[in-house]
Amino acid sequence: QLVLTQSPSASASLGTSVKLTCTLSSGHSTHAIAWHQQQPEKGPRYLMKLNSDGSHTKGDGIPDRFSGSSSGSERYLTISSLQSEDEGDFYCQTWGTGIHGVFGGGTKLTVL
Amino acid sequence: EVQLVESGGGLVQPGGSLRLSCVGSGFTFSSYSMNWVRQAPGKGLEWVSYISTGSTTIRYADSVNARFTISRDNAKNSLYLQMNSLRAEDTAVYYCARDATAGTSPYYFDYWGQGTLVTVSS
Repeated sequence: QLVLTQSPSASASLGTSVKLTCTLSSGHSTHAIAWHQQQPEKGPRYLMKLNSDGSHTKGDGIPDRFSGSSSGSERYLTISSLQSEDEGDFYCQTWGTGIHGVFGGGTKLTVL
Repeated sequence: EVQLVESGGGLVQPGGSLRLSCVGSGFTFSSYSMNWVRQAPGKGLEWVSYISTGSTTIRYADSVNARFTISRDNAKNSLYLQMNSLRAEDTAVYYCARDATAGTSPYYFDYWGQGTLVTVSS
């Protein structure tokens, strides 16, 4: 079964970096994912598509502070030079043959 | 600029019906597959339904199958979700989301609307 697992919460201080993790279920380590950001009281925003080799395609206007990387079944989103507006929820999404819209449970990021 | 604007949400009694709409602009609407995704209060994202460019391929989550109907009118740049036999557990913000491809195979979502709130309560 295609499942994505995310830690429920993360925190980091203003101006520092944070690395969020999304883990693919067993047998699906080659799947690409997408990262989405949801600021409080807003709709989600697409950040990037992240492939198993770490290559990624960012959405329109996404700053260079956001980057992605991969290792095995794990997909990472790194946010550098954290700003207050980066606070919110981050979701990973994947898909498969005949399978639409599989989301991780989301990680709530707090900027201290 | 790509924009997706949902409307049609509101308060409805259990067992009732509601029709949501989503209008797309800033892109060739007919060239992209579309989805509905919902988010219950305080919860994560749940994919609801998918429709291909020409409406030939339609998919539903098990939780809404046989109760919800997705459709589109490419001439009006519009996506719809007809929701029948609504239950309390359907209470959520409903988002329309664009597939990042015109193909009929599943893919990721590259643009989202701001959402419309559906509340099912007596």
